[in-house]
Order: sequence, then structure tokens, then C-alpha cells
Amino acid sequence: DTGVSQDPRHKITKRGQNVTFRCDPISEHNRLYWYRQTLGQGPEFLTYFQNEAQLEKSRLLSDRFSAERPKGSFSTLEIQRTEQGDSAMYLCASSGERDRVHEQFFGPGTRLTVL
Amino acid sequence: DQQVKQNSPSLSVQEGRISILNCDYTNSMFDYFLWYKKYPAEGPTFLISISSIKDKNEDGRFTVFLNKSAKHLSLHIVPSQPGDSAVYFCAASVGTNKLIFGTGTLLAVQP
Repeated sequence: DTGVSQDPRHKITKRGQNVTFRCDPISEHNRLYWYRQTLGQGPEFLTYFQNEAQLEKSRLLSDRFSAERPKGSFSTLEIQRTEQGDSAMYLCASSGERDRVHEQFFGPGTRLTVL
Repeated sequence: DQQVKQNSPSLSVQEGRISILNCDYTNSMFDYFLWYKKYPAEGPTFLISISSIKDKNEDGRFTVFLNKSAKHLSLHIVPSQPGDSAVYFCAASVGTNKLIFGTGTLLAVQP
């Protein structure tokens, strides 16, 4: 399977704990995106990498959130001091130069529950 | 502010009939519009897209229509099949940095 993978698929944590999610994009894709989806809403953009450079961050990404993409391959999203409002599905997507313009390929997501 | 709106949370259609899903947007700078399909416990899957310089794009049973003056686009599925039952998201973009999604429409195709 050469699609976008995310790990873990589910995470339950207590308020105040730190969590880290991993995304492995399609291997030849240089662009990587993180989105968050809450119940009844569409995915909301969080941040975007081109290779290892983080080029855009949403205002949704508070200072408790940090994302990295070392060496332009996999990416991690860390949430520090989690709050109940952080409970959501966190989606990763990637795209490449040879794909249809604007098409992003999504992973299955990581569902976070903060108790 | 919601720049991409899907005002119908759900739609039920008989198998073999046409499904029409609607989407409105407010930002005239959007240059590409996309439709994604999402099954439970999976990420969204790309379905079809349209450039802002076109008014129609067709791919098999799926056709997207764009009315720029009305800032409205629609997805037509003909004929509808039970396997089409899913949540459909309309999305728009400016450049390649991010997609802005609507809230989704749950399509149920009845056998």
C-alpha cells in the first residue's frame, strides 16, 4: 500500500498530557498538510509543508501545537497540555508535482479523545 | 466565516436516479474547486475537480458544474448507486497551499 499512513489511528489521553501523531506521506510527494475535523464539520486546515519547510500555519494552530517534517519525509504533530477541545480527527494529506492540480491524498486520520 | 457552504446536511435518493449535491462559496479568488467523498473511519477521497475558468467537468457518472456569477457549484451523480452512500465534501483552494472545506452532505442511496 503506497497511500498516506497515520499512526496511531486512535489516541485517548487525559487532559494536560502531551500527544504526538505521525504521518507518512506518499513517498514522492513534496507537499504535506495537516487538517483537523470535528463532528459535523469539514476538515479545517492547520499547517502546510513543502519539503522540510513549514510555509503556512493556521490561526487554529495555537502555541500548544507544533509540527515538524525533518528531512522532508514523514511529519509529526505534537499537542502539548491537551484540552478537551482538542478532541477531533487529525488528518494528514500529501500532494506532488505530477498529480492533478490541487488534488490532495488523505490518510485515514488519527482520532484523539481528551478525557 | 464560512467561505464554503453546503446547506444540505443530508440527501436521500433512489438507486438509479440522479443525485445533486450543492455548494456555495464567497471568495471570488478561489481558483480550483474539488469534491471529496468520505466513508466512515477513512480519510476523504478525491472525486472530481474543476478549474475556475471552466463551467463543467465530467468523469464517468460524476459531473461538476460551476456557476461563477452565482458563486455556486454542484455535483451530479447519474445513475446513483448504493455504493455512492457517503459524506460528500465540497472544497476550494487558492494556489496549492490548502483546501477550504464545506461541512459536508450525507448522501444515502436507497436500493
